Amino acid sequence: LAKTTQPISMDSYEGQEVNITCSHNNIATNDYITWYQQFPSQGPRFIIQGYKTKVTNEVASLFIPADRKSSTLSLPRVSLSDTAVYYCLVGEFGSQGNLIFGKGTKLSVKP
Amino acid sequence: DTAVSQTPKYLVTQMGNDKSIKCEQNLGHDTMYWYKQDSKKFLKIMFSYNNKELIINETVPNRFSPKSPDKAHLNLHINSLELGDSAVYFCASSRQTSGSVTDTQYFGPGTRLTVL
Repeated sequence: LAKTTQPISMDSYEGQEVNITCSHNNIATNDYITWYQQFPSQGPRFIIQGYKTKVTNEVASLFIPADRKSSTLSLPRVSLSDTAVYYCLVGEFGSQGNLIFGKGTKLSVKP
Repeated sequence: DTAVSQTPKYLVTQMGNDKSIKCEQNLGHDTMYWYKQDSKKFLKIMFSYNNKELIINETVPNRFSPKSPDKAHLNLHINSLELGDSAVYFCASSRQTSGSVTDTQYFGPGTRLTVL
C-alpha cells in the first residue's frame, strides 16, 4: 500500500493561493490520487482525483509530476470557509484495503 | 435533502451497554461504508457493503456488527461497549461497487459516541 505524507498544518490568508503537497514515494503504476476535505464536525467531502499531469475542477487543481511521487492540491484564492482538514489518498481502482485517511493537513485561513 | 444521514448525532452511554447507529442514503448508491475517526483524527474503514453483501471487513472486534436491511441502509450495532470505542463514526456511500479508495464517497455527518 502506498503511504502518504502531508504537512500536519498550514496557515494562509484570505485571497491567497494555497498549495498542499502530498508525498507518496512508493506509488504503484495503477494507483490514483484522491483528495478529500473535512470541515469541523462534518464528514469528508471528495474534492478531486487524478492520475498524472493536471486535473482541474470548480473547486481545486491537482498537479502531479511525471514521476508521480508527489502531488499538489492547489486552492485558488482561499476564503475563511476553506478552513478544513485536507486528506490525500492513494490507491488502485478496484483494490480494497487502503481506505485509510491519515491525519491530513489542517489548513487555517485567516482574515 | 440530506444525501447520507445518520442517527443519532450524539450518543453517550455506559460501558457494557449495547447500542446501534443508523445510516441511510438516498443517492441510489450500491455501496455503503462505516468508518471510525478516533481522537487522533485517523479515519479508518471498518466495513463496506455492496448491495447488502459484505465486501470489506477490516480488523474490527466482533462486538461490532453491521446490518444492511436493504441497499439504502447500513446500521452499526455495537455490543458490550468499551471506553476505547469512544470516537466519531461516519457512514458513507459510493456509486461504484469495488470499495476502493478511488470510489468517490459521500459521507454522513457523523455520530459522536462517548462511552463512560
